Amino acid sequence: AQSVAQPEDQVNVAEGNPLTVKCTYSVSGNPYLFWYVQYPNRGLQFLLKYITGDNLVKGSYGFEAEFNKSQTSFHLKKPSALVSDSALYFCAVRDRNTGRRALTFGSGTRLQVQP
Amino acid sequence: SQTIHQWPATLVQPVGSPLSLECTVEGTSNPNLYWYRQAAGRGLQLLFYSVGIGQISSEVPQNLSASRPQDRQFILSSKKLLLSDSGFYLCAWSLPPNWEGYTFGSGTRLTVV
Repeated sequence: AQSVAQPEDQVNVAEGNPLTVKCTYSVSGNPYLFWYVQYPNRGLQFLLKYITGDNLVKGSYGFEAEFNKSQTSFHLKKPSALVSDSALYFCAVRDRNTGRRALTFGSGTRLQVQP
Repeated sequence: SQTIHQWPATLVQPVGSPLSLECTVEGTSNPNLYWYRQAAGRGLQLLFYSVGIGQISSEVPQNLSASRPQDRQFILSSKKLLLSDSGFYLCAWSLPPNWEGYTFGSGTRLTVV
């Protein structure tokens, strides 16, 4: 089975400060990992993915994430937060070694960036 | 370019009424298609996915059903809605073998009253 945990319901950060949104995963094999962002009453937008290769992945809007296999984590980071980054963030995983074709999403973390 | 259309954007339906939500994809062939439900603005629950015409996998037993009558069309249905069916329904597509991730539609807000 594959699962994702986002341990923080909400993260608050001041504009200009670095931000981290945490994600840990569980798969029986090797993972494909994704981050998505959702603005109110909208669909999810793709931010970045880890498939293979470099553990540090760079994505849209200045976001990046680091794949850590030993800690089974894929935390989302940004060096300097913007008020416009305030949104709901989802981590997702797929086990590349199983036949399951669908992503499993975490419960989401609401990011609030204060001006 | 590929686009995904989902409608209606909002829907208010009485308990016991039928439901039909439609999702279509343009600009690609043989996509994998997915229906997710998001309750209370948080977690996403996979309802159905399809890897081809007429091929539907159900993740959660409930009073909803899905159909894929054409390659790029995915329909979510119910014969009789329950209050608990309220939520934000999201359609998504991906191309096999899936490691490119999903592209989501803009969602349908369903309120059952």
